[in-house]
Amino acid sequence: DQQVKQNSPSLSVQEGRISILNCDYTNSMFDYFLWYKKYPAEGPTFLISISSIKDKNEDGRFTVFLNKSAKHLSLHIVPSQPGDSAVYFCAASGRRTSYDKVIFGPGTSLSVIP
Amino acid sequence: DAGVIQSPRHEVTEMGQEVTLRCKPISGHNSLFWYRQTMMRGLELLIYFNNNVPIDDSGMPEDRFSAKMPNASFSTLKIQPSEPRDSAVYFCASSLGAINSPLHFGNGTRLTVT
Repeated sequence: DQQVKQNSPSLSVQEGRISILNCDYTNSMFDYFLWYKKYPAEGPTFLISISSIKDKNEDGRFTVFLNKSAKHLSLHIVPSQPGDSAVYFCAASGRRTSYDKVIFGPGTSLSVIP
Repeated sequence: DAGVIQSPRHEVTEMGQEVTLRCKPISGHNSLFWYRQTMMRGLELLIYFNNNVPIDDSGMPEDRFSAKMPNASFSTLKIQPSEPRDSAVYFCASSLGAINSPLHFGNGTRLTVT
């Protein structure tokens, strides 16, 4: 049973528009959330994170929103650029599950169309 | 910093053969993780070590899989005997192990078992 879900396997967005990637989780013990980006033939790289004590974290064009009551988070990319085309993984960990044990979702493949 | 180094990048072997995947974590990182990526299951955590000690191996699929970390700079994941369903990309990652320290992934080993 997947504890971290990304229900959209793929997403296409025009360059310059907003990309919104969604993630849901089921384990209420998760309290730290991360997004990773992966290009083909490379390992995932860390993008942005958020602690459960916050509901928003912003880093340049990337913003992560957390809705704890809904067990939902989203990653917004504004404006989207062709170089953002990659697979995006949502991940979660928690103090009570051990911050070391990071559980990943299945990923969403983002295509930004020039 | 060379990052996490995995070898080999590609491995093709026949069913029944032993396969050994290797990983060198980033110097100074005290947590090491082995993940497996498949189309069906996404990124699965197989096992992780903290200070060279296996902490959680509940993700290891079967007794055919084993992992070791004899020192802080080297880890192996062994499959014996290998089966076609083991075909996947295997990633090694390391981290400082603290709440705000993300995982740093290697570029993976693509394993094909025929």
